[in-house]
Amino acid sequence: GQQLNQSPQSMFIQEGEDVSMNCTSSSIFNTWLWYKQDPGEGPVLLIALYKAGELTSNGRLTAQFGITRKDSFLNISASIPSDVGIYFCAGPLGWGGKLIFGQGTELSVKP
Amino acid sequence: GAVVSQHPSRVICKSGTSVKIECRSLDFQATTMFWYRQFPKQSLMLMATSNEGSKATYEQGVEKDKFLINHASLTLSTLTVTSAHPEDSSFYICSARFRAQETQYFGPGTRLLVL
Repeated sequence: GQQLNQSPQSMFIQEGEDVSMNCTSSSIFNTWLWYKQDPGEGPVLLIALYKAGELTSNGRLTAQFGITRKDSFLNISASIPSDVGIYFCAGPLGWGGKLIFGQGTELSVKP
Repeated sequence: GAVVSQHPSRVICKSGTSVKIECRSLDFQATTMFWYRQFPKQSLMLMATSNEGSKATYEQGVEKDKFLINHASLTLSTLTVTSAHPEDSSFYICSARFRAQETQYFGPGTRLLVL
C-alpha cells in the first residue's frame, strides 16, 4: 500500500540554524501538505502544495513539491524556540478526502 | 478562516461509561469530517470518515459499535466512545474538509483518560 517515509525522525538544533526535512512516497501524489503539531494540540496546516515543482513560502518556512511527484521537502530558516514541535507531511489517500501521514519529524531547538 | 473546535479538551471517566466528543467547523461548512486517534510519539491514525447525513465509514480494525459517529449537520460531528475501557485512553483529534479540497483542518484534540 501507499507509504510516506519522512526523515529525519528527530532533530536537535541550535537556535538560528536552518532545518530541512523531507518526505518520500512509493506512489505519485497530486497534493502535498505540511502540518505542525505542538504538544497536546491538533496539527496546524503550514503549507499546501498542489503542483509538481511548486515552491511555496510561509514566513520562514519554504516547501517544495518534487518534480517526480513522489517527494516533498520543508525548510525552516533561522529557527527559533517556538519552532519546536512535530512536523508531519501528508498526502491524499485515494478518493474520499482521506490523508496519509508521514511518521513525523520531532524538532527541538536549543536557545 | 478554517477553524475547527473540539469539546471537551480533556475528559476523565470511569471504566464502563460513555463519552461524547464534539467537533465543530466554526467558519465553514464541512461536507466531510474525519476522526483520528493518536498515541504518544506516534503519527495520526485515521479511525473513520464522516459525511454529513450518511453513515460513517470506519477503517479496518475500528469497532463501529464502540466508536459511534454522528454527522448531523454540516458543522457538527460527534464521536461517542461507548463503554470506555482504560485501553481507550488516547488523544482523539477531528478534522474537517470543505467540499472537494484535499486540505483538512484539525481541531485541537481531546485527551481521554479512562480509569
